[in-house]
Amino acid sequence: QVLLVQSGAEVKRPGSSVRVSCRISGYDFTSYGIDWVRQAPGQGLEWMAWINPNNGITKYVQKFRGRLTVIADKSTRTAYMDLTNLGPDDTAVYFCSSGNYGFDHWGQGTLVAVSS
Amino acid sequence: DIQLTQSPSAMSASVGDRVTITCRASQDVSFYVAWFQQKPGKVPERLIYAASSLQSGVPSRFSGSGSGTEFTLTISRLQPEDFATYYCLQHSSFPYTFGQGTKLESK
Repeated sequence: QVLLVQSGAEVKRPGSSVRVSCRISGYDFTSYGIDWVRQAPGQGLEWMAWINPNNGITKYVQKFRGRLTVIADKSTRTAYMDLTNLGPDDTAVYFCSSGNYGFDHWGQGTLVAVSS
Repeated sequence: DIQLTQSPSAMSASVGDRVTITCRASQDVSFYVAWFQQKPGKVPERLIYAASSLQSGVPSRFSGSGSGTEFTLTISRLQPEDFATYYCLQHSSFPYTFGQGTKLESK
């Protein structure tokens, strides 16, 4: 059984940083890329980043202008998403996803709320 | 960046109806399109991958077609559990992009 288990909800102050983790089990961690997607309240899905867990190569959407970093730790089968300098517009549910042809399996989502 | 335009943005239909949702890409994305269903408060679920391949476990009333710049998701006979929001995604080139979504409501 493939499982992507994400870390719990976070409440953050503007200007701070957040790390969301995604632990993957049920298949070879290095077999598929891992994507990060977010969804602001009442809004659509927004693709953020991708990482190849085998070699660490990453791709990002330009809008995050260096605030976003994704990493993959093969030893713990866990992917991480770090987002810095948080603002109210970063309030969203953050998802990790992976699998055959991409986006086959999803984590349960992690709510990050940014509020002063 | 490749833009995906879904149409309609919202629609209402009745159980048993045939429903078609269109996704147009601003550039050729070959067959690298997937379709997702999302219900309120839930995780998106992939219905279709590679434009026309049915995800395992997804009912056969769902189908996808298209290549290049125009794609469709069809629900042949709408069931009560199909009322949801649907998204297309292109993963032909980075940055990947989603369509804006189509909210399917009960008439």
